[in-house]
Amino acid sequence: GAVVSQHPSRVICKSGTSVKIECRSLDFQATTMFWYRQFPKKSLMLMATSNEGSKATYEQGVEKDKFLINHASLTLSTLTVTSAHPEDSSFYICSVDMNTEAFFGQGTRLTVV
Amino acid sequence: GQNIDQPTEMTATEGAIVQINCTYQTSGFNGLFWYQQHAGEAPTFLSYNVLDGLEEKGRFSSFLSRSKGYSYLLLKELQMKDSASYLCAVRDRNYQLIWGAGTKLIIKP
Repeated sequence: GAVVSQHPSRVICKSGTSVKIECRSLDFQATTMFWYRQFPKKSLMLMATSNEGSKATYEQGVEKDKFLINHASLTLSTLTVTSAHPEDSSFYICSVDMNTEAFFGQGTRLTVV
Repeated sequence: GQNIDQPTEMTATEGAIVQINCTYQTSGFNGLFWYQQHAGEAPTFLSYNVLDGLEEKGRFSSFLSRSKGYSYLLLKELQMKDSASYLCAVRDRNYQLIWGAGTKLIIKP
């Protein structure tokens, strides 16, 4: 199966700053990657679909200017949380689909103070 | 709308058997997945069902009935390390994954 590496695993930042999260597909060329957000005891919520070489597709209610996604190569997608606020604190996970199965990165625990 | 229902929490005893149910209403169906998620970690794949019936993999089995929009995950010979959340997810007609909220399974000695 695909190996997906996500970095960093944990980050604490101050309100108003920006945070970049990287998602790498180590052994699979991914034209599409998915970014999820998960609140405690809640389900995975799809934020956006990252498309290599083109604009990301955002789910309804997700601010594209706040959650910037860049998918510049077949192995790397980045999610930048801009002007972070405490309510952005959450668990962010990326995934790649291969042969119908979803493979996940390790997740990033973001805490905005 | 699309919906996945599963119990919020279940408790079972070490060594016993537990069945976690999942019902779904989605626009189309292209397979059902069960994932295990330990607290603070990403989900890991457990099973995949696309045809009706039972899929067995070691201590874990998963069942699907497409006509009933129903699946269950059966865990046998429970171990303490099985304490985790179990997520049910369905691929809809657009191959998008629709996720349930997860069932937190608590294993007691």
